[in-house]
Amino acid sequence: QVQLVESGGGVVQPGGSLRLSCAASGFTFSRCGMHWVRQAPGKGLEWVGFIRFDGNNQYYADSVKGRFIISRDNSKNTVYLQMNGLRVEDTAVFYCATEGQIGTSLPYYFDDWGQGTLVTVSS
Amino acid sequence: QSALTQPASVSGSPGQSITISCTGTSRDVGGYNYVSWYQQHPGTAPKLMIFDVTNRPSGVSERFSGSKSGNTASLTISGLQADDEADYYCTSYTYFTTLVFGGGTKVTVL
Repeated sequence: QVQLVESGGGVVQPGGSLRLSCAASGFTFSRCGMHWVRQAPGKGLEWVGFIRFDGNNQYYADSVKGRFIISRDNSKNTVYLQMNGLRVEDTAVFYCATEGQIGTSLPYYFDDWGQGTLVTVSS
Repeated sequence: QSALTQPASVSGSPGQSITISCTGTSRDVGGYNYVSWYQQHPGTAPKLMIFDVTNRPSGVSERFSGSKSGNTASLTISGLQADDEADYYCTSYTYFTTLVFGGGTKVTVL
C-alpha cells in the first residue's frame, strides 16, 4: 500500500526558506518520478514541479522556477522541496504525489497523493 | 502557462449524467493525449479518476469516463450519486514540459 507522508510545513516570514520532505513507502521509490503540487487556501490545485526517478532531471512551474528546488534521496525513499525567497502568495498546502508512468523521464499525471503539509508565509 | 478553462460549477440530480469540460490549446490539451482528472472532497487529498484522456485506474467506478475533441477534454459522470459531490480538476501535459491544471469545477448533486 502506497504511503506518502509530507512534513516540514510551518510559518515563515517573507523572503525566508523552508524545506519540505515527503517520505514514501509501499512501492519501489527509485523507479518512480515524484511531483509537488500546492493548493492555496480556498483555491485550486497548482503543479509545482517534478523530479525524475533517478533525480537527474527536474521541471518546474514558472511561478517557482529559480526559487524552489526539488531533490530526492533514493536510499531514504524521500523527496524534498527546498523553498527559498518565499512570498505571501506561496502560502498553501503542499502535496507530494507519485508520477503515474513508472520509469518516465517526463511528468504526465499524479497517481498517489500524500495528505499535505501547510506552509504559511506571513510577517 | 495559463490554466485550463473549466466551468466553475455543474449540478445534476441523482441518477443523471453530467459532463465537465476542460479547454486548453494546441500546446496542451489538443497536442497530447495526456489529460487526467482528479476528484477532491473537502479537506482531503485529490484522487486520480482518469489518466491519458480515457483510462480509468483500477478501483474507480465505470460511471466515470473521459474523452477529448480538439482542444477540449471532458469528464462525464453517469448515474450521479451523492458521494460524487466534490471538486474536479483536469490536468494536461504541455509543450513546455510542464503540467497545467484547470481552475476546478464544483459538482453539486441536487
